[in-house]
Amino acid sequence: NAGVTQTPKFQVLKTGQSMTLQCAQDMNHNSMYWYRQDPGMGLRLIYYSASEGTTDKGEVPNGYNVSRLNKREFSLRLESAAPSQTSVYFCASTVTGQSNQPQHFGDGTRLSIL
Amino acid sequence: GQQLNQSPQSMFIQEGEDVSMNCTSSSIFNTWLWYKQDPGEGPVLLIALYKAGELTSNGRLTAQFGITRKDSFLNISASIPSDVGIYFCEGNAGNMLTFGGGTRLMVKP
Repeated sequence: NAGVTQTPKFQVLKTGQSMTLQCAQDMNHNSMYWYRQDPGMGLRLIYYSASEGTTDKGEVPNGYNVSRLNKREFSLRLESAAPSQTSVYFCASTVTGQSNQPQHFGDGTRLSIL
Repeated sequence: GQQLNQSPQSMFIQEGEDVSMNCTSSSIFNTWLWYKQDPGEGPVLLIALYKAGELTSNGRLTAQFGITRKDSFLNISASIPSDVGIYFCEGNAGNMLTFGGGTRLMVKP
C-alpha cells in the first residue's frame, strides 16, 4: 500500500549545506521524476529517469544532481543549498515514460534553506 | 518549455455549487490529466483523457479533452467541503510533461 515514499518529510538547512532527498517506489515502475512546487507555479520538473541507469534534465535542473540507484530508488541531491531552493519537492513514478501514463506522487519533502 | 495556463488561480465555492476550471496552451498535447492535491500530500490522479473531444466522468467530476488538443476543462458538480484543495492539469506530449499552475478551491465560510 506504500506507493511512492519520500524521506525526510521536512528539513531545514543552512545556505551552503548539502542534502540528499530520498525516494523509493514499490510498484515496479520504470520511470521516476523529481519536481519542485512553488506557490502559483505548479510542478516544475527538475530531473527524470526514464528507466534504470538513465537520467535526464528537466525544466529546472541547475543546483541539483540525481542518482537512479536501482529500479526502486531515485535520489535528489543539493550539493550547496541556496535560499532559492526553498520549496516542496515531490517524487513521482510511472509505469513507463510514455505520454499516456499518469503519475503516482509521494507526499513531498518540505525544504527550507536559511 | 511549454506553458499551460490554468484558470482560475483560486476560487471560493458555496457547498452545492458547480465548479469549472480549465487549462489552455499554445501547444498540442496527446494526453490531458487532472490531479487533486490535499494539504500535506502529493497530487492524486482524478481523470485521464487520451483522445481529442473525449468527455470522461468520475463521480461528480467531468473532464473534457479539447477538440484542438490545446485545452481541457474540469467540472465539479454539487461541490462538498471535501472538494477543497488544489487541482492541477497536466499536458503530456511524448517526453514533455507540463503542469498548470493549479486552481485552489476553498469553501466559503
